[in-house]
Amino acid sequence: NAGVTQTPKFQVLKTGQSMTLQCAQDMNHEYMSWYRQDPGMGLRLIHYSVGAGITDQGEVPNGYNVSRSTTEDFPLRLLSAAPSQTSVYFCATLSDIGEQYFGPGTRLTVT
Amino acid sequence: DAKTTQPPSMDCAEGRAANLPCNHSTISGNEYVYWYRQIHSQGPQYIIHGLKNNETNEMASLIITEDRKSSTLILPHATLRDTAVYYCIVGARPSGTYKYIFGTGTRLKVLA
Repeated sequence: NAGVTQTPKFQVLKTGQSMTLQCAQDMNHEYMSWYRQDPGMGLRLIHYSVGAGITDQGEVPNGYNVSRSTTEDFPLRLLSAAPSQTSVYFCATLSDIGEQYFGPGTRLTVT
Repeated sequence: DAKTTQPPSMDCAEGRAANLPCNHSTISGNEYVYWYRQIHSQGPQYIIHGLKNNETNEMASLIITEDRKSSTLILPHATLRDTAVYYCIVGARPSGTYKYIFGTGTRLKVLA
């Protein structure tokens, strides 16, 4: 039982490049979300999904797209990377009683 | 979405109880209080949650005031491994908003 997995662990992008951060879970949780955490700061919600085919915006959605075609996967796409998107990105799922399970994070640097 | 307010940092002597306060004065009647902690740059880890009553598990105790406008997380015998950032958030389960908003948390330092 792997829980929540994220790939890649580290990524360096140049300004303007696009990429997809992968998130997968094997806990059969309907709810999944993406957060970003800037150095020394708390977590900010980017997008979330309450089930396959349903997504919604969080606090800081601009510059990011998501889709949810299966229960297991919730990829986060950066459309045109900017230095302001340098951050650590966490994916999380939510159990029926409200416990969130977080992945190990993807550390992204945009130069 | 309810917001929470926490002190930015606290120190606690090893072996003593760590009491971490959280203010959530705009909490709605169906919203729970959740506590998480984040050690170094790992993903946050769930600790405990509650609605009205005080809760206890193997990690901590949660005390919620009668008016539900504030709560306290208690680590009864803090160890050096409890040094972390602690987040208090509110959210509704199973129905209602799924927008769980984290604040900046309290950085707890346990001193030897």
